[in-house]
Amino acid sequence: EADIYQTPRYLVIGTGKKITLECSQTMGHDKMYWYQQDPGMELHLIHYSYGVNSTEKGDLSSESTVSRIRTEHFPLTLESARPSHTSQYLCASSGDRGREQYFGPGTRLTVT
Amino acid sequence: EDKVVQSPLSLVVHEGDTVTLNCSYEVTNFRSLLWYKQEKKAPTFLFMLTSSGIEKKSGRLSSILDKKELFSILNITATQTGDSAIYLCAVEAWGGGADGLTFGKGTHLIIQP
Repeated sequence: EADIYQTPRYLVIGTGKKITLECSQTMGHDKMYWYQQDPGMELHLIHYSYGVNSTEKGDLSSESTVSRIRTEHFPLTLESARPSHTSQYLCASSGDRGREQYFGPGTRLTVT
Repeated sequence: EDKVVQSPLSLVVHEGDTVTLNCSYEVTNFRSLLWYKQEKKAPTFLFMLTSSGIEKKSGRLSSILDKKELFSILNITATQTGDSAIYLCAVEAWGGGADGLTFGKGTHLIIQP
C-alpha cells in the first residue's frame, strides 16, 4: 500500500490568504508531482520534482509555488488565494520517471 | 501538445454486464499508457502498457494497447457495484520538459444493482 499523505483534506479560505498544502511520502521516492483537478475535468500537472532542490513547472500554468527541501516532503504554496484557485489538488510520487505514480488523498480547496 | 481522449465520458450498466472503455492518444515519443481507477479520493493504479498487443489482466479487468492505431481499451467483465468509479487513462512520454502524465477526462462508470 502506498504511503503518501496530504493535509488538509478540505480547506475553505477567504480571498487574499496565504495557504500551504502539505504532501509527504514515506516510500523514499525521488519523483513527486502536483496535479490540479477541477470537477468533471482531467488532472493537469502543475509542478514536479526530480529530487531534493529540484522543482519544475508542469503543463498547466499555476500561480502556486513548490519547494523540495527534503525527499519526503513537497509542499505547495499559494501566496494570495483567489476564487479561481478553487479546485482539488492531488500530490503523487513515483520511484521512476512518471511510472506507476502513487497518489495522495487530495486536498479540496475552496476560496471564497 | 500531447492529448488523451476517453470514451464514453459516462456509462451506466447493470451488475453482471461487461463493459469496454476506450482511450485514444496523440503523444510525441510515447513511452507507456496507464489506467487508473478513481473513486471518491485519489486515483489508484491499475495497469501500465508499453508493448502493443500484449494483454494485461487482473481478475475481471484486462487491458490491451494498440500502438499502431494509438488506442487502448479497458475491459471489465461480470461488473459489480464496487466497480463504479471514474476510470482514467494517462500517457507517459519520453523526454520533454514536463515529466508527469497526460490524463484523459475519464469515463464515469456506474454499475446499477
